[in-house]
This record gives sequence, structure tokens and C-alpha cells, in this order.
Amino acid sequence: DQQVKQNSPSLSVQEGRISILNCDYTNSMFDYFLWYKKYPAEGPTFLISISSIKDKNEDGRFTVFLNKSAKHLSLHIVPSQPGDSAVYFCAASVEGMGAQKLVFGQGTRLTINP
Amino acid sequence: GAVVSQHPSRVICKSGTSVKIECRSLDFQATTMFWYRQFPKKSLMLMATSNEGSKATYEQGVEKDKFLINHASLTLSTLTVTSAHPEDSSFYICSAPYRGSADTQYFGPGTRLTVL
Repeated sequence: DQQVKQNSPSLSVQEGRISILNCDYTNSMFDYFLWYKKYPAEGPTFLISISSIKDKNEDGRFTVFLNKSAKHLSLHIVPSQPGDSAVYFCAASVEGMGAQKLVFGQGTRLTINP
Repeated sequence: GAVVSQHPSRVICKSGTSVKIECRSLDFQATTMFWYRQFPKKSLMLMATSNEGSKATYEQGVEKDKFLINHASLTLSTLTVTSAHPEDSSFYICSAPYRGSADTQYFGPGTRLTVL
């Protein structure tokens, strides 16, 4: 049972345009969401997070939007750069459970074309 | 930032042998570490939570006798794949939360295990 889903396995975007990566979740207990970036043969690197008390969090070129009623979050990258090409994972957790266990989506491979 | 290392980065072994993977937090202490497994083109699946000074907590469906976890110190957790079989071939990644917060959970670079 996939509690966190990224339905697009891949996405191709032109450099300078906006990249939008989507993520859906089913477990209403999740109250903290994160996006990670992963290069081949490396561990994921934290990008940005959002608590369920917010609907938007912005950090530089990265913005995460959360729609709790739809159990949907998205990561916007603008402008997209070639170095953004990687696999992006969304993850969810339940805050307040000590060191949080993360539930990951399947990942979306983002390719930025020059 | 905080660093988590894994060793080895890549290992090839024969079926039936055991393989040990180390996960170290290099500049911070971690009473808890997590072990994940990633199949090709699949998400990272949490296998177990490694607890310093106590037994590991395994996720449903993960065989604890097959995947032995030892959290020997505040900076080291080991995962031993016992009697490895080809279906155990995978990418294993550990993580350690820094200051107990999800967004400062640092991941190791991963270990690619291939069982022949």
C-alpha cells in the first residue's frame, strides 16, 4: 500500500521555465512533508519541507505547496537550471514521534534541457 | 553540514555469504539511525530503525534474522545481510536525524549490494 505517491516517473522541462513536481498521500496522520533530491549512487539531500499548519513554504527557487483537503503537495522550481536534473522524492512523516520515520514516494526524474 | 558515511559503497558477494554495511555519523551523535532499501525505479523503503543501546525496530515484512542491525555506539550502526541471496541485491541507504528533526535527517551515500 503506497501511502505516498508520485505518479509521474519522469518530467522534462526547458531551462529557465518552471518545474512542477507533484505528490499525493493517503494517510491523514501525516503532518510534515519534505522534498529530497537524489543523484545516482548517492543518498537523498534535503531540499525543503512544510508543516501541515502551512500551505506554502518558499526557499529561493524552491516553493512547496500543500493542499491538505486534497492530500496533495507540489514542488515548484523556478527558474529551472541544468543542475536541477535529478530524481526528486517527496516524503511524509508524523511530527512529534521522536526521530521521525519517513515514508517516501517513488520519485520523479526531472531533466532540465538547455 | 552534518555528514553520514557508509561503507562499503559497493559490494559483490556470492549467494549464501553474509555482508556487513556500516553507517557512521561523522560529526554528530545519533541515538537513532534508519536503514532504507531502494529497488530500481522504486521508492526508498524503510526497513528498520536502529536504536543505540537497544534492539532495532523492524518494519512489517522485514526479516529481522536476515537483516541484523547493531547500533554499537552513538556514531555507528551496522546492517548485516545474512545468507545473502540474489533477491537481496539492492541499494541500501542509512540516515541519521540531526537534533531529532525530520528536515535535518542526513542520508549516507548508499551501498550497492549485488549478490551473485
